[in-house]
Amino acid sequence: NFMLTQPHSVSESPGKTVTISCTRSSGNIASYYVQWYQQRPGSSPTTVIYEDNQRPSGVPDRFSGSIDSSSNSASLTISGLRAEDEADYYCQSYDSSVVFGGGTKLTVL
Amino acid sequence: QVTLRESGPALVKPTQTLTLTCTLSGFSLGTSGMSVTWLRQPPGKALEWLGLIDWDDDKYYNTSLKTRLTISKGTSKNQVVLTMTNMDPVDTGTYYCARIRGGVNNRWIDPWGQGTPVAVSS
Repeated sequence: NFMLTQPHSVSESPGKTVTISCTRSSGNIASYYVQWYQQRPGSSPTTVIYEDNQRPSGVPDRFSGSIDSSSNSASLTISGLRAEDEADYYCQSYDSSVVFGGGTKLTVL
Repeated sequence: QVTLRESGPALVKPTQTLTLTCTLSGFSLGTSGMSVTWLRQPPGKALEWLGLIDWDDDKYYNTSLKTRLTISKGTSKNQVVLTMTNMDPVDTGTYYCARIRGGVNNRWIDPWGQGTPVAVSS
C-alpha cells in the first residue's frame, strides 16, 4: 500500500497564510482524491476539505485544497490565520484502504 | 442530523477481547450506499483506520490488524459492532466510529463520533 507524509509541525502568525503538504509515496496523487481533517485538542476530527478541493458547508473559504502532480503531493492552505485554526491537520486518501498522513500540528503564534 | 456514538468498556486487560458498539442516528446502515468505519488514535499519536462495513455487509480491514478485527452489524440496523481480540497495552487509545462518505473510488469520513477511550492494563 501507499503512505502519506506530512510535516510534523508548522507555525505562522495570525493573519498570515500557511500551507501544509501531504506527499504520496506511490501511485499518482491526481488519481485518488485527498481529504483534510482538522482536530482541535480534546475533540473529534472534522472535515475541512474533501475530494481535493471541496469545502463542506460551514467551512470558511480561508481553507483551500490543491493537488500538485509534479511533486505527487496535496496541500492544504489556510489564509488569514486565526487563533482558532490552531489544531492538528490530517490528510487522508483511499485506495482499497483508508490511509492517513501522520498529522501536522499547526501553531498560530 | 447524522450522529454516531461509541460505547463500551473503558478498561480491558491484556489478552482480552474488546467489544465496542456504535449507535447511529439520522441514517441507517440498511440504506443502500451507506457505510460505517472504525478508527483509533493512541494518546498523542496519529489517526489509524481499522476497518469499515458497507450497507450490503461487505467488510474491509486494515491489513496489519485484520486477523484481530471483526466489524459487524448489530442486532438493529442502527448499530455497528467492533470486536478486537488479544488486546495489548499498545492498543490503548481513543476509538472512533464514523460515517463513510463518497463512493467506490473514494471514501472519506464525516461525521465522526465523539470517541470512546480504551485503556489496556492489568
